[in-house]
Amino acid sequence: GAVVSQHPSWVICKSGTSVKIECRSLDFQATTMFWYRQFPKQSLMLMATSNEGSKATYEQGVEKDKFLINHASLTLSTLTVTSAHPEDSSFYICIPSGTNQETQYFGPGTRLLVL
Amino acid sequence: AQTVTQSQPEMSVQEAETVTLSCTYDTSESDYYLFWYKQPPSRQMILVIRQEAYKQQNATENRFSVNFQKAAKSFSLKISDSQLGDAAMYFCAYRSWGSGGSNYKLTFGKGTLLTVNP
Repeated sequence: GAVVSQHPSWVICKSGTSVKIECRSLDFQATTMFWYRQFPKQSLMLMATSNEGSKATYEQGVEKDKFLINHASLTLSTLTVTSAHPEDSSFYICIPSGTNQETQYFGPGTRLLVL
Repeated sequence: AQTVTQSQPEMSVQEAETVTLSCTYDTSESDYYLFWYKQPPSRQMILVIRQEAYKQQNATENRFSVNFQKAAKSFSLKISDSQLGDAAMYFCAYRSWGSGGSNYKLTFGKGTLLTVNP
């Protein structure tokens, strides 16, 4: 299957700092990127959807000024958690999608811990 | 909007036995995909099985099979000959049929934690 990478896989930061998470689709062009987060023992919840070269569309309750998404190329999208707080501690997963895909390929996820 | 419901937060099964995980969903669409994903402790999502709604035949993948009841909007997963490595969180997910863009959005159920007892 297709390869998707996320970096970093694990990050610990102090409250108030910003953290950038990268998601790369290594062998296909991701025209659409989905960013999810998963709190402990909970399901994956969609945060935002972005199309390459366009602004992201955020789900209700997700602050667009706090979670900045950049999808400037077909192989790279970034999620920046600005002024992170302990309640932002979560597992963040990207799912890049191309065209005519029957199967989604998940990034391995990024564990964020905000102290 | 589509919703996916998994009513069993936890399930357990004896090694070598069979277990069925339940999933129901709600949609007004006639064509769509349904998936079962496995999430082990590493948290890397693994596709277990996929079902296209237009197919009447239930999907099977080795020891994994589904019971897809379109009219009832039910999509259960049966694991036969359970193995210790099957222990994980299992998520049922829905995706629209259309090509590209937000059609590829996955909607997940809350998950079922499966324990396999030796």
